[in-house]
Amino acid sequence: DTEVTQTPKHLVMGMTNKKSLKCEQHMGHRAMYWYKQKAKKPPELMFVYSYEKLSINESVPSRFSPECPNSSLLNLHLHALQPEDSALYLCASGMLGLYTDTQYFGPGTRLTVL
Amino acid sequence: DAKTTQPNSMESNEEEPVHLPCNHSTISGTDYIHWYRQLPSQGPEYVIHGLTSNVNNRMASLAIAEDRKSSTLILHRATLRDAAVYYCILRAVAGSYQLTFGKGTKLSVIP
Repeated sequence: DTEVTQTPKHLVMGMTNKKSLKCEQHMGHRAMYWYKQKAKKPPELMFVYSYEKLSINESVPSRFSPECPNSSLLNLHLHALQPEDSALYLCASGMLGLYTDTQYFGPGTRLTVL
Repeated sequence: DAKTTQPNSMESNEEEPVHLPCNHSTISGTDYIHWYRQLPSQGPEYVIHGLTSNVNNRMASLAIAEDRKSSTLILHRATLRDAAVYYCILRAVAGSYQLTFGKGTKLSVIP
């Protein structure tokens, strides 16, 4: 199974809402990632978890809060977002290999902030 | 990570070969060359990677210049399903684990 699943597929939220994005993989990967992709732009890294510990935070605002409850799950908690946070949020996982570290991406959650 | 340069867009006829170029003149000796593609409304997917020698897999071939300052992704027979944005990415062997995406090349396939 080389699939990364993300839920929900679409999310519309107001600026005062709290919501969460979920990501799951069952490939035994020990690295998991969140990327943000604005329309017609390349994905940009937000967070990296390795062995369930946050290893990289690319200066992401605190209104985005990642969580890795176990090696298969990755959450992104959203609170007090701004309309400019509307984007496709991609989750990925990888094996932390030095030479390849092929990353497997989910289909993304398309977020709209009103 | 070292920088890559790709054309913004390319077109190909269906069932013709496609050569997607990537320049990486500042590549270091330990950087691997990775290619990912992103089909419309999907997440990126891995295509191929290499270090010095040319590489083949079921999806594509990767031709790497002798000086490693450029590489070419080759799709042997383009299909409509190959229409996507193709990203050329350099990955350091002992560096951080994230992918740093450039702007990529949008490939259109004409029936």
